[in-house]
Amino acid sequence: AQSVTQLDSQVPVFEEAPVELRCNYSSSVSVYLFWYVQYPNQGLQLLLKYLSGSTLVKGINGFEAEFNKSQTSFHLRKPSVHISDTAEYFCAVRSQGGSEKLVFGKGTKLTVNP
Amino acid sequence: DVKVTQSSRYLVKRTGEKVFLECVQDMDHENMFWYRQDPGLGLRLIYFSYDVKMKEKGDIPEGYSVSREKKERFSLILESASTNQTSMYLCASRTPGPGTGGYEQYFGPGTRLTVT
Repeated sequence: AQSVTQLDSQVPVFEEAPVELRCNYSSSVSVYLFWYVQYPNQGLQLLLKYLSGSTLVKGINGFEAEFNKSQTSFHLRKPSVHISDTAEYFCAVRSQGGSEKLVFGKGTKLTVNP
Repeated sequence: DVKVTQSSRYLVKRTGEKVFLECVQDMDHENMFWYRQDPGLGLRLIYFSYDVKMKEKGDIPEGYSVSREKKERFSLILESASTNQTSMYLCASRTPGPGTGGYEQYFGPGTRLTVT
């Protein structure tokens, strides 16, 4: 079985500052990894995904994440955030070749202040 | 673009009522999912469906059932609503193969259900 830990439930930052949202996972098999974003009163939207290949993955809205197999991490980064990045971010994992289920972390609420 | 729609954005029901939440996707996806989202708990899987008339329990199926009579439609049923089922309900769909979907799930906008 897989599990996902998002280490920070809330992250406040100032506009134009860099941000890192941390995600660690646990799995006995190889996994696919995802970051989703949820803007207020909306569903989830895919930011980026790691399936295989290069460990640095670029997504929409200037976000990127790095897969680190030895540390079982998939941290999300953005070099300069905007007010519009205020949202909740979810990390998710799915085992390769196994269950169809995605396992989600509990979310990190990013608040960008002016 | 994949479109997943949910029948209501907001719903208020009384304790003991039977509640139907409907989800429709327009991309011919085989797999569909129902989640509930609660503050501090993230998303928890209630049920999912591999294909028409096929379903499997997720992590928290108690108090819920589902129906999938057509490929594009997946319904979540609360047989007798209770106050602890007050939550945000999210539907998702995906294609099982790598394809262009790359295993990701596509989400609807959610239904915020309040049971009083």
